[in-house]
Amino acid sequence: AQTVTQSQPEMSVQEAETVTLSCTYDTSENNYYLFWYKQPPSRQMILVIRQEAYKQQNATENRFSVNFQKAAKSFSLKISDSQLGDTAMYFCAFLTLSGNTPLVFGKGTRLSVIA
Amino acid sequence: SAVISQKPSRDICQRGTSLTIQCQVDSQVTMMFWYRQQPGQSLTLIATANQGSEATYESGFVIDKFPISRPNLTFSTLTVSNMSPEDSSIYLCSVGETGYSPLHFGNGTRLTVT
Repeated sequence: AQTVTQSQPEMSVQEAETVTLSCTYDTSENNYYLFWYKQPPSRQMILVIRQEAYKQQNATENRFSVNFQKAAKSFSLKISDSQLGDTAMYFCAFLTLSGNTPLVFGKGTRLSVIA
Repeated sequence: SAVISQKPSRDICQRGTSLTIQCQVDSQVTMMFWYRQQPGQSLTLIATANQGSEATYESGFVIDKFPISRPNLTFSTLTVSNMSPEDSSIYLCSVGETGYSPLHFGNGTRLTVT
């Protein structure tokens, strides 16, 4: 079974600064996807960024980028130029490609952006 | 990406009653998933619903407590039966496809049981 670990329950960052959220996972699969979701107080789960395991290049979406280390099973999220609207819970998630299986989530990191 | 409408967005219910949550997708999808998010916690999968077959429940969840319908490829319901305060959570619908596609979520239903 796959597991996803987020070791930082809470983090804070000053507006305009950069912050990195950590995520590690455990799997015996070789083909899978990794995601970061954002959940603001509105509780909607918003897909921030995704990474295909077969791609060596780290994914980037505007101010959001990942550092994907497949051998280390690490998948961190970097938020640059943090904005107040980035304040939210962030969940790391894993999806295997073998069979129609759902997302497996980490416990989340609560990020606060401080003005 | 799929647009998912989930209703109701929130409800306050009395102990012992049942609530049915609806999930409507603007495109046909093979797989629909129901998650529960207890206060301050991560998401836990309740069950997977395929059209034309019975839902598959995860360990700790049973059909009598969380009956699911999947009458077609764009719609599903989750019922929370005989509710107790421990059922107070956010319930989220998610859609996916065979093979890979980004998995998207409805806005969730915040349920409070008094």
